[in-house]
Amino acid sequence: EADIYQTPRYLVIGTGKKITLECSQTMGHDKMYWYQQDPGMELHLIHYSYGVNSTEKGDLSSESTVSRIRTEHFPLTLESARPSHTSQYLCASSEYSPGETQYFGPGTRLLVL
Amino acid sequence: AQKVTQAQTEISVVEKEDVTLDCVYETRDTTYYLFWYKQPPSGELVFLIRRNSFDEQNEISGRYSWNFQKSTSSFNFTITASQVVDSAVYFCALSEILTGGGNKLTFGTGTQLKVEL
Repeated sequence: EADIYQTPRYLVIGTGKKITLECSQTMGHDKMYWYQQDPGMELHLIHYSYGVNSTEKGDLSSESTVSRIRTEHFPLTLESARPSHTSQYLCASSEYSPGETQYFGPGTRLLVL
Repeated sequence: AQKVTQAQTEISVVEKEDVTLDCVYETRDTTYYLFWYKQPPSGELVFLIRRNSFDEQNEISGRYSWNFQKSTSSFNFTITASQVVDSAVYFCALSEILTGGGNKLTFGTGTQLKVEL
């Protein structure tokens, strides 16, 4: 059973605000990921991390940034939210071995007005 | 580039019917992994199964079964005696090994399954 948490679950915010979406996992996984999913659409990888102090950009260009200071924590930040950032953001983690299962958090639904 | 195709956008069945969700994939890798995830209306992605490219044995877990055929690049998912609680979006995904280790999942566009009474 996965133990990965995301807060907030829902966020409505005005344009121009800075926001941080939190993601934490208690499984000791080295790899963590952020995906973006628009309603009824497929998931796209926007950031991933191999471990502490490692961050990489994914396939989908994103104005968000991430950090990995602790193994269990992988927050995503938007410096200035815009309506185009409205989406669901899903965090996942996996062990380091190739092909390992990614376990997902409950997601954060973001609405930028 | 890797690709996953789920041609069925939406399927509606009546409870207790069997239903098969199709998944076709493309990859040049000889070693790869396939996954199915369930996304209920609450939004989280629930892991259902992982299968590596060297294991073509079909798998059954309760009412769920999976048919992996390398010859046709398919990894289909069957729910037997469907229930209302099975209503969700189901995603098939293919693992691509990233430089430096770990994997990236390429997802299909999902199949919305609606099970009605």
